[in-house]
Amino acid sequence: KQEVTQIPAALSVPEGENLVLNCSFTDSAIYNLQWFRQDPGKGLTSLLLIQSSQREQTSGRLNASLDKSSGRSTLYIAASQPGDSATYLCAVGNQGGKLIFGQGTELSVKP
Amino acid sequence: EAQVTQNPRYLITVTGKKLTVTCSQNMNHEYMSWYRQDPGLGLRQIYYSMNVEVTDKGDVPEGYKVSRKEKRNFPLILESPSPNQTSLYFCASSLGSGLVDAFFGQGTRLTVV
Repeated sequence: KQEVTQIPAALSVPEGENLVLNCSFTDSAIYNLQWFRQDPGKGLTSLLLIQSSQREQTSGRLNASLDKSSGRSTLYIAASQPGDSATYLCAVGNQGGKLIFGQGTELSVKP
Repeated sequence: EAQVTQNPRYLITVTGKKLTVTCSQNMNHEYMSWYRQDPGLGLRQIYYSMNVEVTDKGDVPEGYKVSRKEKRNFPLILESPSPNQTSLYFCASSLGSGLVDAFFGQGTRLTVV
């Protein structure tokens, strides 16, 4: 059974810092991996999607990497801003389209 | 504007009183799904629908029902709510399964007392 774990559960950094969020999964036979952002009182917004054949994806200040063999993904946020404060979730997808979510990392960027 | 609309946003109800949470999307998406989010457990899929009249159980379907009579609507029905169904519920829709380029509703916070 696939299990997805995100560490740390919460992270607080000063504005301007580069940071890394971690996601690990137990079964390497994945179809894709997505990173989502969740703002308080709102639904999820998809940030980046990495197919199983890819190693990384970039969007603006965000870079997500995938290492299937070790069961790990990281989300790198460069030059963090207070507006980046949110909960970040990773989700592993199988070929049938089913997603298994991690518990999320709550990020706070202090001005 | 492309969106998924859930109603109500907040609901407090009593054990055993049937309730329905509505979900509507305006993007002609075929795939819709319901999730519940609980502290320490993340998001777990309740039910999903691949198209009109096609629904299937997710990971935690017990105590819930759904229907998909029209493409745009996917209501979540709790026939006899219990306190362990107190949670934050999200509806999502996408063109295909896997929630790629998915749109999420803003969530429904349900409390069952």
